[in-house]
Amino acid sequence: QVQLQESGPGLVKPSETLSLTCTVSGGSISSYYWSWIRQPAGKGLEWIGRIYTSGSTNYNPSLKSRVTMSVDTSKNQFSLKLSSVTAADTAVYYCARFPPGDAFDIWGQGTMVTVSS
Amino acid sequence: DIVMTQSPDSLAVSLGERATINCKSSQSVLYSSNNKNYLAWYQQKPGQPPKLLIYWASTRESGVPDRFSGSGSGTDFTLTISSLQAEDVAVYYCQQYYSTLALTFGGGTKVEIK
Repeated sequence: QVQLQESGPGLVKPSETLSLTCTVSGGSISSYYWSWIRQPAGKGLEWIGRIYTSGSTNYNPSLKSRVTMSVDTSKNQFSLKLSSVTAADTAVYYCARFPPGDAFDIWGQGTMVTVSS
Repeated sequence: DIVMTQSPDSLAVSLGERATINCKSSQSVLYSSNNKNYLAWYQQKPGQPPKLLIYWASTRESGVPDRFSGSGSGTDFTLTISSLQAEDVAVYYCQQYYSTLALTFGGGTKVEIK
């Protein structure tokens, strides 16, 4: 079955750029939307944005100025870049599959990212 | 953005009893062209990612026990656990996917054993 795995640095310095990759295994990345969602410790879920396999993107308006997503269909991967990070960006970051017109049906295990000097 | 408001923030229910969680959206998530409510429910256990339980407000995801049910339409929705089991201890979130340019979650409801 399809599985997602996040990867990337667990520690990022303030003002730098957070970069994460999600690898899709057990199925094709094609014909789906793929999303990033984050969760600060002890808090709720925040949608960051989504990307279609064509490269079309939609971002959370509150993060839009700092977010860039990309997709590499040849590697079955999609990526997140969040610039100018602060401590408020410290969270567990999840990648998830978002079928067209449907809910988030498959999630990665999540990766903790801490913003600290 | 569509704001999702869940209530209560937490509840404690005896084993075998019913648990009811409410979710209200700031605007309707009912898509008139197909009469579907773009509302999902997720269960999140400690240290785990959220798991999809219910979509289209009332359709159970494959493999989800039938003690979980969703109901409601428009702006008011309910997740019911008909007979609480120990493994149901978790935080439950509702989420709207009507506005796909700004997907939003409720604040979560923590379910514990009384």
